[in-house]
Amino acid sequence: GQSLEQPSEVTAVEGAIVQINCTYQTSGFYGLSWYQQHDGGAPTFLSYNGLDGLEETGRFSSFLSRSDSYGYLLLQELQMKDSASYFCAVLGAGGSYIPTFGRGTSLIVHP
Amino acid sequence: DGGITQSPKYLFRKEGQNVTLSCEQNLNHDAMYWYRQDPGQGLRLIYYSQIVNDFQKGDIAEGYSVSREKKESFPLTVTSAQKNPTAFYLCASNMGSGETEAFFGQGTRLTVV
Repeated sequence: GQSLEQPSEVTAVEGAIVQINCTYQTSGFYGLSWYQQHDGGAPTFLSYNGLDGLEETGRFSSFLSRSDSYGYLLLQELQMKDSASYFCAVLGAGGSYIPTFGRGTSLIVHP
Repeated sequence: DGGITQSPKYLFRKEGQNVTLSCEQNLNHDAMYWYRQDPGQGLRLIYYSQIVNDFQKGDIAEGYSVSREKKESFPLTVTSAQKNPTAFYLCASNMGSGETEAFFGQGTRLTVV
């Protein structure tokens, strides 16, 4: 089977840096994606890592280590609007590109 | 504007009734997906379709049915056989194999009353 583990909740203050970890066990693996979802809204794509290393997109970065079956999303210069749920998603489970999602991490940013 | 449209946004159903959730996309995407979201459960795959007139069961297909008669449309029917249908339902699409990003609709919140 497949499983993805991420913390259920993370809290931080405005301006801080926060890291959301994701570990995975799947029968196949192409890469790891990250999505953001504000309460009651649509998940939106943030990043994808197909190779080991760090991908940077503005204040957000994502990292992957295939040998450790581990990735993380790094959010810098936190803003109140970053309060949302963040999901990691594996592509490649069962040999397909259908995203398999983790349970999500609720990020709460305090002033 | 291109995108995915789900309707209705809120839906109430009496127990024992079937109900159909609409999902339409004008992105010319080949693949479409239905996910169910419950608090603390993440997104779980119900059904997916990678081409018109073909679809496959996901992880939690029991009590649901779909059709894909047109490329743009992938409606989901929640049948009376679904024991716990109250949830947030999300439709997504992308170009399919090799695509790393999925595009989501705004969701339909279904409540059984």
